[in-house]
Amino acid sequence: DAGVIQSPRHEVTEMGQEVTLRCKPISGHDYLFWYRQTMMRGLELLIYFNNNVPIDDSGMPEDRFSAKMPNASFSTLKIQPSEPRDSAVYFCASSLGTGVGYGYTFGSGTRLTVV
Amino acid sequence: SQKIEQNSEALNIQEGKTATLTCNYTNYSPAYLQWYRQDPGRGPVFLLLIRENEKEKRKERLKVTFDTTLKQSLFHITASQPADSATYLCALDALNFGNEKLTFGTGTRLTIIP
Repeated sequence: DAGVIQSPRHEVTEMGQEVTLRCKPISGHDYLFWYRQTMMRGLELLIYFNNNVPIDDSGMPEDRFSAKMPNASFSTLKIQPSEPRDSAVYFCASSLGTGVGYGYTFGSGTRLTVV
Repeated sequence: SQKIEQNSEALNIQEGKTATLTCNYTNYSPAYLQWYRQDPGRGPVFLLLIRENEKEKRKERLKVTFDTTLKQSLFHITASQPADSATYLCALDALNFGNEKLTFGTGTRLTIIP
């Protein structure tokens, strides 16, 4: 397996533009997580899905953020409109399960810069 | 409020010595605790998991302890090597009404000096 695949690796956009980040989880993993990492706040959970269904989106900072998982092999995180404070590294991770302590497999992340 | 603290932002250790990293938490009752390694420009990589009823877990040169009374986990790397230089993150599950979240500490940047 190629692991969790994220695209793009880097994204530079102007304030106000729409940004879409993409993620392909490991096949067979039922859980998918979106995290954001900044120097100030570390790794923060934004939202997670179980079997393509959003379970907890309480970490999504504002209505400008939305996430979808139309099928088991694809998820998107969208920011519309983007703002400079959204600049961060966004990670997608997948896991076999939770509650029994499976480790997460992270992608390489998307470094987003909003200017 | 809930808090996860890792002992220091940065730790320098001489090659061959044992590196010990600390993770303290407050206002959590985790069922398990995980440790991850993160290299610059990469995502975290899962290393070890220890459950609340386990005192110690080992994997090659790595050892993790978990003391739920002290609310602390220690992460040891024995016979440290320059290749062990990375940021190490601890993470706790925050089970809340069946909704499980893995919450991360801010990490300790470990440098092994040749």
